[in-house]
Amino acid sequence: NAGVTQTPKFQVLKTGQSMTLQCAQDMNHEYMSWYRQDPGMGLRLIHYSVGAGITDQGEVPNGYNVSRSTTEDFPLRLLSAAPSQTSVYFCASSPEFRGATEAFFGQGTRLTVV
Amino acid sequence: SQKIEQNSEALNIQEGKTATLTCNYTNYSPAYLQWYRQDPGRGPVFLLLIRENEKEKRKERLKVTFDTTLKQSLFHITASQPADSATYLCALEDNAGKSTFGDGTTLTVKP
Repeated sequence: NAGVTQTPKFQVLKTGQSMTLQCAQDMNHEYMSWYRQDPGMGLRLIHYSVGAGITDQGEVPNGYNVSRSTTEDFPLRLLSAAPSQTSVYFCASSPEFRGATEAFFGQGTRLTVV
Repeated sequence: SQKIEQNSEALNIQEGKTATLTCNYTNYSPAYLQWYRQDPGRGPVFLLLIRENEKEKRKERLKVTFDTTLKQSLFHITASQPADSATYLCALEDNAGKSTFGDGTTLTVKP
């Protein structure tokens, strides 16, 4: 049971480049989300999904797109990378939305935009 | 605006003592409060969840209290060990299902 898998672990981008951060979970969880974590700060919600085909914006959605075509996968797309998007990105999944359940996090993707 | 404050950025204690971490919130009506542990270079790992109508929850050496009047949660680690050294995050989930995380407190337990 792999849990939540994020790829890549590290990435360096040039300003203006685009890329997709991959996230996959094998627990059949309904709810998936993307967070970014900046040094010394907590996690801030970027986008989330309550099921396949349904996504919504979190606290800091600008510059990011998501889609959820399957239960398992929830990729995060950076359309035109900016230095302000340098951060560590975490994907998380939970059995359900609005339930008293724990979130399972991936190992993170450390992104640097130069 | 909603705000979550964890007592301090860093807490240093001696092995065997009880560590107490604080999570205060304003302009928020949480349905649940969760505590996570995060080690350097890793994703957060769930520890405990407490509901708004619960006062206290325990799990082995961990204890969480939740006071909705004071808008505060306390997280205790008894008989602390060097292996407990990590950053601890509190997270509040509202009735809409959205979670907001605090900035974390880094605990160092010295032998």
